[in-house]
Amino acid sequence: AQSVTQLGSHVSVSEGALVLLRCNYSSSVPPYLFWYVQYPNQGLQLLLKYTTGATLVKGINGFEAEFKKSETSFHLTKPSAHMSDAAEYFCAVSPNQAGTALIFGKGTTLSVSS
Amino acid sequence: KAGVTQTPRYLIKTRGQQVTLSCSPISGHRSVSWYQQTPGQGLQFLFEYFSETQRNKGNFPGRFSGRQFSNSRSEMNVSTLELGDSALYLCASCRGGEDGGNIQYFGAGTRLSVL
Repeated sequence: AQSVTQLGSHVSVSEGALVLLRCNYSSSVPPYLFWYVQYPNQGLQLLLKYTTGATLVKGINGFEAEFKKSETSFHLTKPSAHMSDAAEYFCAVSPNQAGTALIFGKGTTLSVSS
Repeated sequence: KAGVTQTPRYLIKTRGQQVTLSCSPISGHRSVSWYQQTPGQGLQFLFEYFSETQRNKGNFPGRFSGRQFSNSRSEMNVSTLELGDSALYLCASCRGGEDGGNIQYFGAGTRLSVL
């Protein structure tokens, strides 16, 4: 069965610092991978997705993630944190061709201080 | 283009009752999925409907059921509510074709409290 592990339930950074949120997955087939963000009292918003092709994926709001098959990782980064980035971030994998039935990690709460 | 709409936003029920939640997908989307979000278990997949048929199912008891109508709108029903069913229920829609990596768009959710 596929699974997703997010290392660190809480990450704190200063404004302007590098953001690194870690995600490892287990999958017996090439996966579809996603990062979503959730702001308080809202649904989830897609940041980026990996299907096939280029392993460095660029998303919205300056975020990017690199798919590393050898490490089964899909870490999310942003060069310079902004106060508005404070939210909960979820890594997810889909076990099917449609990219649905998402299996989520437990989430990482990102705090940004000034 | 209107987003995914979930109604109601908040619900309070008592143990043993049943509840129906509604989801209207983005126009043109044929797939609707339901997820349960709790502090303890996180985000868990309930089921997915595509063209009125259940295409995928998560690991939840039979008390949780759903359906999809011809206009792609979906409902989920929970019967014999338990305290542990208190959660945020999220609906997501996408085009649904099996061409790799559909983007699922999420609604704001229905927060269910079971007393």
